[in-house]
Amino acid sequence: AQSVTQLGSHVSVSEGALVLLRCNYSSSVPPYLFWYVQYPNQGLQLLLKYTTGATLVKGINGFEAEFKKSETSFHLTKPSAHMSDAAEYFCAVSEFGAGGTSYGKLTFGQGTILTVHP
Amino acid sequence: SQTIHQWPATLVQPVGSPLSLECTVEGTSNPNLYWYRQAAGRGLQLLFYSVGIGQISSEVPQNLSASRPQDRQFILSSKKLLLSDSGFYLCAWTLNTEAFFGQGTRLTVV
Repeated sequence: AQSVTQLGSHVSVSEGALVLLRCNYSSSVPPYLFWYVQYPNQGLQLLLKYTTGATLVKGINGFEAEFKKSETSFHLTKPSAHMSDAAEYFCAVSEFGAGGTSYGKLTFGQGTILTVHP
Repeated sequence: SQTIHQWPATLVQPVGSPLSLECTVEGTSNPNLYWYRQAAGRGLQLLFYSVGIGQISSEVPQNLSASRPQDRQFILSSKKLLLSDSGFYLCAWTLNTEAFFGQGTRLTVV
């Protein structure tokens, strides 16, 4: 069974500061890992994903994440926060290689609300 | 390009009333379709998924049901809503290794 833990339900940073949102996962098979962003009353938008290959993945809006198998982590970072980054962020995992419906059978973390102060 | 539509965007329903939420996908055929629910202060939970017309799998036993009457149409229903059915409902479909989400329906049961 898969699970995802996001450390910190709320993270607050100043504009221009480093953003670090933590995600740890457990999976019995090689995972696919995702970060999604959700703005109020909207759907989820994919920020980035790790499937195979390079463990440092870059996404939209200047975000990146590093897959660390030994630490079972997939933390999301951005060097300099912008006011427009304020949103809720979700880490998710799906089973690698199972194909078909498994890609959409995502297990999500509880979410982290990012607040950016001027 | 592929798009996914969900409606309505918001809905307020009394306890005991029926529910029908609709999701349609454009620009693809035979998509895998999913319904998720996001309860207040909680993550997203997969409710149902479908790999084809008439094929529905339930992930969590509950007061809800799903149907897929057409290839690109996915419907979430309830005969009698409970207060606990309140939440944000998201439809999704998958392409390769990604899931794409609709804009969601905010359901408030009063």
